[in-house]
Amino acid sequence: GQQVMQIPQYQHVQEGEDFTTYCNSSTTLSNIQWYKQRPGGHPVFLIQLVKSGEVKKQKRLTFQFGEAKKNSSLHITATQTTDVGTYFCAGPIDNFNKFYFGSGTKLNVKP
Amino acid sequence: DGGITQSPKYLFRKEGQNVTLSCEQNLNHDAMYWYRQDPGQGLRLIYYSQIVNDFQKGDIAEGYSVSREKKESFPLTVTSAQKNPTAFYLCASSIRQLNGYTFGSGTRLTVV
Repeated sequence: GQQVMQIPQYQHVQEGEDFTTYCNSSTTLSNIQWYKQRPGGHPVFLIQLVKSGEVKKQKRLTFQFGEAKKNSSLHITATQTTDVGTYFCAGPIDNFNKFYFGSGTKLNVKP
Repeated sequence: DGGITQSPKYLFRKEGQNVTLSCEQNLNHDAMYWYRQDPGQGLRLIYYSQIVNDFQKGDIAEGYSVSREKKESFPLTVTSAQKNPTAFYLCASSIRQLNGYTFGSGTRLTVV
């Protein structure tokens, strides 16, 4: 079945460095969502991308949806310790509101 | 404030016992979901419901059961047939198709 693959699995950065996580699908996605889960917490919805080539920004976070709608990325500029957590992408399995979550990228930021 | 409430936060189960995890939302969302998360891993879909009195199996439904008698409530029962139930269970809801999920704070289930 359709899967959403996410890389890297782990990323350790020094505070102030940039960070990027990538999400890839074997099939075209109608949309893609991104979530953040702090250690010991629950996932929190960040954003949804719908259009081919779409780019959205939230302060230091930049989200991109590929032209073919098969890949997406989340880029954090100048990481801070508050960015620590696991970032998940999620793509729809079918026309119902049912998403397949990637395995996540765990970000650790050293002060 | 609107949101999703999961209870209990921690649950310990003896082998062979059934346990029920509660999930209540006051967001007026139609769709509700149960996910399982194992340490260091992503989320796997157990069951989902698009409307009251209707629900569908997800990828890992074996050993679990649900009900959706009210729009606000979507309890999950972990039965004795679930061979490895120790995990973090997350309930979520969404207002309509293809919208972002709101997650509850989760229940950590441990088999003792």
